[in-house]
Amino acid sequence: QKEVEQNSGPLSVPEGAIASLNCTYSDRGSQSFFWYRQYSGKSPELIMSIYSNGDKEDGRFTAQLNKASQYVSLLIRDSQPSDSATYLCAVVSGTYKYIFGTGTRLKVLA
Amino acid sequence: DVKVTQSSRYLVKRTGEKVFLECVQDMDHENMFWYRQDPGLGLRLIYFSYDVKMKEKGDIPEGYSVSREKKERFSLILESASTNQTSMYLCASSLSGGAFPEQYFGPGTRLTVT
Repeated sequence: QKEVEQNSGPLSVPEGAIASLNCTYSDRGSQSFFWYRQYSGKSPELIMSIYSNGDKEDGRFTAQLNKASQYVSLLIRDSQPSDSATYLCAVVSGTYKYIFGTGTRLKVLA
Repeated sequence: DVKVTQSSRYLVKRTGEKVFLECVQDMDHENMFWYRQDPGLGLRLIYFSYDVKMKEKGDIPEGYSVSREKKERFSLILESASTNQTSMYLCASSLSGGAFPEQYFGPGTRLTVT
């Protein structure tokens, strides 16, 4: 079992819709969770961090964490073509061990 | 804003060459990391450093070494480059602390070994 799992996609949504990206992790002791956006050929860019159960909102982005079910999700409201990218979920497991999923490719259709 | 810079965006080297990749951060971060990213495999940790002159092996350290002589600078060395080290190399940095803070990435170096 992979330590951090994401559906590779592509996830296609129409412009203006809500995109929902999901991530599950295996280590129950994980404490910190991050979402990165990566455009093709570029490096990952941090867009959200979440540390406690519940929702955290930042502009059009909402991160959701459920430690009991071991999943973290990212919602993107009013999706735009510029949101088309690969979204990486990262989970911190143990000291300094940041584990990245392989990413979900999102396509927002104009 | 955190700024992490890497010495080259693109690099082409020959098999057997010694390769140096350099990373500099300007935010006084204690932690620095080197990853490689390959299609389908995601980001894999090569080495990280939590202080000057301190280093820890990551998941795939074989064929690599690192150097951290100053807090802001973390170098990755490929002792004898091989074609299977063709990859995107990403440097990242973060603060230290009780929680596990966010990592910030440099622009990456796409290395091709021929």
